[in-house]
Amino acid sequence: EVQLVESGGGFVQPGGSLRLSCAASGVTLFGYWVDWVRQAPGKGLEWVANTNPDGDEKYYMDSVKGRFTISRDNAKNSLYLEMNNLRVEDTAVYFCARNRGWFSFDLWGQGTLVTVSS
Amino acid sequence: QSALTQPPSASGSLGQSVTISCTGSSSDVGTYNYVSWYQQHPGKAPRLIIYEVTKRPSGVPDRFSGSKSGNTASLTVSGLQAEDEADYYCSSFGGLRVFGGGTKLTVL
Repeated sequence: EVQLVESGGGFVQPGGSLRLSCAASGVTLFGYWVDWVRQAPGKGLEWVANTNPDGDEKYYMDSVKGRFTISRDNAKNSLYLEMNNLRVEDTAVYFCARNRGWFSFDLWGQGTLVTVSS
Repeated sequence: QSALTQPPSASGSLGQSVTISCTGSSSDVGTYNYVSWYQQHPGKAPRLIIYEVTKRPSGVPDRFSGSKSGNTASLTVSGLQAEDEADYYCSSFGGLRVFGGGTKLTVL
C-alpha cells in the first residue's frame, strides 16, 4: 500500500521538544522535495518547512525558523522534523507531504497531533 | 491573513455545479501556472485533486475542473454529489503563503 506514516506527536509543555518522523512505504521520496504542513484545530492548512531531494536545502516559515529543523534520510525513505522551544501556537496536526514540484503535494500522511500546553 | 483568498463557504444542490475562487496576486497566481487544489474531509488528510491549474491526478473524477484568469484561480465541481461536501484549499507557487484559507463546501 502506498502511504506516508507520521509518528512522534504528543503532549508537551511550552519550551519542550518533539521529533516527528514520516516513513514512506510503497512509494519513494527519493528525488522529491518533501514538506511538513500543519493544521491547527479548526483552522486551515499552513506550510511549515521543506527540503530538497538531497537534503542540503531547507526552508522554513518565519515563525519556526531557529526552532524547527527538517531533515531526511533517503536510505530509510524517511523525513523528520525536530521541534524545539515549542509554543502554544505550534499546537496542530502535522502532515508530511511529497512535493511533486512547485508546491503541489501529491501524497500526504494521515497526520500526527502535537499539543503544546501548560 | 492568507495571501491566497478563498470564500469561507460555498454551497450547491445535488447534481448542480459550484465554483470556488482563489484570488492571489501577480506574484503568485497571476504569474505561475502552478495552482493546486486539495479536498479535505473532516479528520482526514488533504487529497490533491487539481494541479498545474487544470490537470487532474489519476483517480480524480472529471467532475472536478480547474481554471485561471488573471490573479484568480477557480475550482468547479459539476454534478455535485454528497461526498463532495468537504473543505477545499488552493495553493500556488510564488506567494508569501502557500495555501489559501480554505472553503467549506456544503451540498444541499
